[in-house]
Amino acid sequence: GAVVSQHPSRVICKSGTSVKIECRSLDFQATTMFWYRQFPKQSLMLMATSNEGSKATYEQGVEKDKFLINHASLTLSTLTVTSAHPEDSSFYICSASRLASTDTQYFGPGTRLTVL
Amino acid sequence: ELKVEQNPLFLSMQEGKNYTIYCNYSTTSDRLYWYRQDPGKSLESLFVLLSNGAVKQEGRLMASLDTKARLSTLHITAAVHDLSATYFCAVNTGTASKLTFGTGTRLQVTL
Repeated sequence: GAVVSQHPSRVICKSGTSVKIECRSLDFQATTMFWYRQFPKQSLMLMATSNEGSKATYEQGVEKDKFLINHASLTLSTLTVTSAHPEDSSFYICSASRLASTDTQYFGPGTRLTVL
Repeated sequence: ELKVEQNPLFLSMQEGKNYTIYCNYSTTSDRLYWYRQDPGKSLESLFVLLSNGAVKQEGRLMASLDTKARLSTLHITAAVHDLSATYFCAVNTGTASKLTFGTGTRLQVTL
């Protein structure tokens, strides 16, 4: 149990376009979902926390107008990278937890974004 | 601001040897996680440590937690090549399950 999927697994896009990444909890309801970014050979950095039905909370330094997060249901959160640029190229990983404060996070397989 | 540091950042070890990875964190936390990441892949959960003195073992890996020292260790016993990966610790800040990840330790086990 506790499987999280992401789609797509890889995406290549041109600079200036927008890309949407989906994160789904397949066998549980996720009250909270998290979005992380990981640059090569670096650690994971939390971008934002989203709770179903409410606005996402962004970490300091993350542009909310550039990284749009929607958590419309208890099984789906989406991250849209708007007007992507090469510096947005990264590995994006989502995670989901059942409860707001105490539950383990279950990680998705990640999405590799390359912006040309 | 919570800081989580791991050392070493890179570890090359021979098969059959033992070694320990250290994870230090700067503020009080109620739980600590260890993850494994293979190249190009996402995270695989290894351990969650919930209290001071907690020790968990799975195969050749053993994790422990000292909340007073704000230190966790991941001990590798008789390393095998399949353990080659990057290992991250992560600390829960108690606020909406937010995790702060350590810097990561890239482990390379040579034959």
